[in-house]
Amino acid sequence: DGGITQSPKYLFRKEGQNVTLSCEQNLNHDAMYWYRQDPGQGLRLIYYSQIVNDFQKGDIAEGYSVSREKKESFPLTVTSAQKNPTAFYLCASSIGRAQHFGDGTRLSIL
Amino acid sequence: AQTVTQSQPEMSVQEAETVTLSCTYDTSESDYYLFWYKQPPSRQMILVIRQEAYKQQNATENRFSVNFQKAAKSFSLKISDSQLGDAAMYFCAYRTPNFGNEKLTFGTGTRLTIIP
Repeated sequence: DGGITQSPKYLFRKEGQNVTLSCEQNLNHDAMYWYRQDPGQGLRLIYYSQIVNDFQKGDIAEGYSVSREKKESFPLTVTSAQKNPTAFYLCASSIGRAQHFGDGTRLSIL
Repeated sequence: AQTVTQSQPEMSVQEAETVTLSCTYDTSESDYYLFWYKQPPSRQMILVIRQEAYKQQNATENRFSVNFQKAAKSFSLKISDSQLGDAAMYFCAYRTPNFGNEKLTFGTGTRLTIIP
């Protein structure tokens, strides 16, 4: 079945450590997105990519980095510069009007 | 910048009854898309319904329908014959039609509880 796969489901980060969240889609979608969700808030855009080898900062890009080397993959790295990384992270993709989401990754600090 | 406001943090409805969730937005654009997403306890975001601003007819998907008032910048979601599986967070979202700027702007959500 086509869909968006995020891994891992749960992730723990130590102080000063970079961690990478995986997002893979087999929907042949051109555009991919990363969102952050905090309790009591809606989703906020971190980064997005319309095509391979190109990506744009969203509203809260500081402390994060991405790459888009393949159409199917859009990994997100949470760097040590992100001082408050504990959140739920959602990846999405689209080809047209609506975005479709993965199941998310919950990141916590050890 | 566009903003989306959901003024009802929580709503509840008796099973089989009808409930309406409110959403207002602010934009200077004349063409755009609006969406309602559902997020159950599993945390997955599920598209419920979408509306193109240029269409005057309100979108409908089975028990879900919208009341789109473009002049008032209002986009409410009506759920008819509420079911226990409808319990979730509901998010309203806005998107411009411009290629290369297709990001969604979300409201803060409404938590819907279904009372058996």
